[in-house]
Amino acid sequence: DIQLTQSPSTLSASVGDRVTITCRASQSISSWLAWYQQKPGKAPKLLIYTASSLQSGVPSRFSGSGSGTEFTLTISSLQPDDVATYYCQHYNIYSETFGQGTKVEFK
Amino acid sequence: EVKLVESGGDLVQPGGSLRLSCVVSGFTISNNYMSWVRQAPGKGLQGVSVIYSGGTTNYADSVKGRFTISRDNSKNTLYLQMNSLRAEDTAVYYCASHPTSGHWGQGTLVTVSS
Repeated sequence: DIQLTQSPSTLSASVGDRVTITCRASQSISSWLAWYQQKPGKAPKLLIYTASSLQSGVPSRFSGSGSGTEFTLTISSLQPDDVATYYCQHYNIYSETFGQGTKVEFK
Repeated sequence: EVKLVESGGDLVQPGGSLRLSCVVSGFTISNNYMSWVRQAPGKGLQGVSVIYSGGTTNYADSVKGRFTISRDNSKNTLYLQMNSLRAEDTAVYYCASHPTSGHWGQGTLVTVSS
């Protein structure tokens, strides 16, 4: 089974900072990776799919990159509304696998 | 407008059974990949089961043999039959369509406890 490892587990940053979250796969997953934002008590919200495609309606400060085994989610300028937990997800015809999450908080 | 509405979550004793439902509007589930994802209290997301447009199903190892995913195309409703429930099955259960669609329900809470 493919495992996804996110780093860091927690990230403290200030408004306006550039924030990067990494997701590493235990084997190549091509570009079959999505990124979600989740706030407490809410369902996850899709931000990025196929590694780098921005979901409609998501602010352009969010971007995704990578392929194979290493992927990144970047927030170019952190905003107050971005405080949340972020998950990467690999999807294929067999299953869905999630990373353990990265909690983004204000310094 | 696309909507996914889960129901059926409840408090159940270990060893008990429960059936979750997800009523979908805005698209036809028979033509789509649908899944159940769960989140234990204070924990991350875990894929539980998927059903493909052709009817093929897959399950996480932790629920294989105990949970069954199905759908009623006439009602455009997705189900998750959960048997032999364990304390570690306690979670909010979400239904979702294909990961690239971004469509999720609001979740339903299943609590397994005596």
